[in-house]
Amino acid sequence: ETGVTQSPTHLIKTRGQQVTLRCSSQSGHNTVSWYQQALGQGPQFIFQYYREEENGRGNFPPRFSGLQFPNYSSELNVNALELDDSALYLCASSLPGNEKLFFGSGTQLSVL
Amino acid sequence: AQRVTQPEKLLSVFKGAPVELKCNYSYSGSPELFWYVQYSRQRLQLLLRHISRESIKGFTADLNKGETSFHLKKPFAQEEDSAMYYCALSGLGAGSYQLTFGKGTKLSVIP
Repeated sequence: ETGVTQSPTHLIKTRGQQVTLRCSSQSGHNTVSWYQQALGQGPQFIFQYYREEENGRGNFPPRFSGLQFPNYSSELNVNALELDDSALYLCASSLPGNEKLFFGSGTQLSVL
Repeated sequence: AQRVTQPEKLLSVFKGAPVELKCNYSYSGSPELFWYVQYSRQRLQLLLRHISRESIKGFTADLNKGETSFHLKKPFAQEEDSAMYYCALSGLGAGSYQLTFGKGTKLSVIP
């Protein structure tokens, strides 16, 4: 059984740039959630995708967007990067209706 | 708005001593509560959920709706319990199960 994988592991961008983060869900999981974890904070819900559609969104601006593909993998896109976007971005997959999340190792994004 | 509060950033206990990690929540409906754990160099993973009423690795947590608390307890701490612990709450909304996490408590078990 393959776990949740995220790429890249680390990324450095400058303010105003755009970034795409990728996530492959655990085998058989068709629901993917994205979380932002700032230093010293708990993970904060960004959005969730189910059957290739956004299925819930946290308090994040529209420049945070996502996609889910037919194989259940997912992307998180962030436009017009700001310094405060520097954080660990976690992807988690789950079965529909099951709140047990399986997390990836995360992508550490630094915005300079 | 839903909120999870973990009042202790760091908790140090001696091996064999009891452990209690505090978690308080704010939610207008009927919540689902969880504890997630992150061991050193490992991923965040589910430890237990209140709805299962289970004991995992000797840990238990009871949902107290009157005190809006979901404290995590273990009678005898082990060195391998040292980790970061996050309390989380699920609010149902439009079919999604977004989790609200606390800021976490780092548990350090002293040999």
